[in-house]
Amino acid sequence: NAGVMQNPRHLVRRRGQEARLRCSPMKGHSHVYWYRQLPEEGLKFMVYLQKENIIDESGMPKERFSAEFPKEGPSILRIQQVVRGDSAAYFCASSPGLAGGPFQYTGELFFGEGSRLTVL
Amino acid sequence: KQEVTQIPAALSVPEGENLVLNCSFTDSAIYNLQWFRQDPGKGLTSLLLIQSSQREQTSGRLNASLDKSSGRSTLYIAASQPGDSATYLCAVGGKTSYDKVIFGPGTSLSVIP
Repeated sequence: NAGVMQNPRHLVRRRGQEARLRCSPMKGHSHVYWYRQLPEEGLKFMVYLQKENIIDESGMPKERFSAEFPKEGPSILRIQQVVRGDSAAYFCASSPGLAGGPFQYTGELFFGEGSRLTVL
Repeated sequence: KQEVTQIPAALSVPEGENLVLNCSFTDSAIYNLQWFRQDPGKGLTSLLLIQSSQREQTSGRLNASLDKSSGRSTLYIAASQPGDSATYLCAVGGKTSYDKVIFGPGTSLSVIP
């Protein structure tokens, strides 16, 4: 059972370009989180998704950022017109949600290795 | 609004010492609390998960406790080793499974051989 897979691991973009970061959750997991980590800082919540549904996007900047988790395929974090301040590590985590029933749910998060975005 | 803090921000100890890392949260209505380890340039590795109904969890040399009423958790590391050097983060789940998980800023641990 593969873990959470993120790609690309490293991405370089010039100011104004678009960045797309992908996250494939662990098999059987229906919930995905995205976090951003700036150098020497902690993880900042961005968005929490269920398949085909955004549960909480209160940490997402209102402009240029969007996220989706389609019925099929990976979750995508999209950053349009990138600026230097977007340079950071973006981490994805997955959890099984309530697939096993409410009494099986633990809320444990499993993280990918992250995608490191550098904006020139 | 849930806020999570961790003390100390950094800690340096000689090999073999027992140590305690602290995590505090402002809203005691939590679903769970999870401790992670992060090595430089790497992702997060889950160490221990404590459900809201539990008081502590143990794994090897690690023991995590949870006191919801006081809004605190501690991670105890026994007989520290240089390989324990990393940043340790605590993460607090909200009231329900549909609430976001909030991270503390982390404690950077250095174990000196």
